[in-house]
Amino acid sequence: EAQVTQNPRYLITVTGKKLTVTCSQNMNHEYMSWYRQDPGLGLRQIYYSMNVEATDKGDVPEGYKVSRKEKRNFPLILESPSPNQTSLYFCASIPSGTGGEAFFGQGTRLTVV
Amino acid sequence: GENVEQHPSTLSVQEGDSAVIKCTYSDSASNYFPWYKQELGKGPQLIIDIRSNVGEKKDQRIAVTLNKTAKHFSLHITETQPEDSAVYFCAASASGNTPLVFGKGTRLSVIA
Repeated sequence: EAQVTQNPRYLITVTGKKLTVTCSQNMNHEYMSWYRQDPGLGLRQIYYSMNVEATDKGDVPEGYKVSRKEKRNFPLILESPSPNQTSLYFCASIPSGTGGEAFFGQGTRLTVV
Repeated sequence: GENVEQHPSTLSVQEGDSAVIKCTYSDSASNYFPWYKQELGKGPQLIIDIRSNVGEKKDQRIAVTLNKTAKHFSLHITETQPEDSAVYFCAASASGNTPLVFGKGTRLSVIA
């Protein structure tokens, strides 16, 4: 089954404690992206990756890091989480950057206290 | 960069009526316009998309129209049903590896 898998689904952490949210896709897609969803603000792109070893900042990259060492994985790293990073996070993959259906993961609800 | 505006932010309709959600975009190079539906507790899922060489596309009760001159596109849902209640997002992107930019979403409620 074609899917994007995020883990964990729910996470409560404390300010400053480094965390990683994993994302994996099994469709051999080139393009992967991270979004955060906040009430009234819709889906805002954090980082995206056109292919292995190619990452770029989205609209709200501050406080986040990503890596793309393999095509299927695109982890999101919060080196020092802060309460303003409390949000619902989605990973998505697209066959290529030239337009096509984006497949989203189930989401990770992060709370930073 | 691309900016996508979506209206309305909330929409309530009676079951059986039609619903229309409108989006405008700023980048004339954008040529791909998908619509996503997000149900409670789930990630967004593609419901219909349109490319700039087409003015209208239909799939059963849903349709999308595109006006490239005015830089706006719309989602039309006819004969709405309670299961159409969800948050709907429009998006736009240009070819050549540019990011998909989303509107802020419309919460549609279909009242039985």
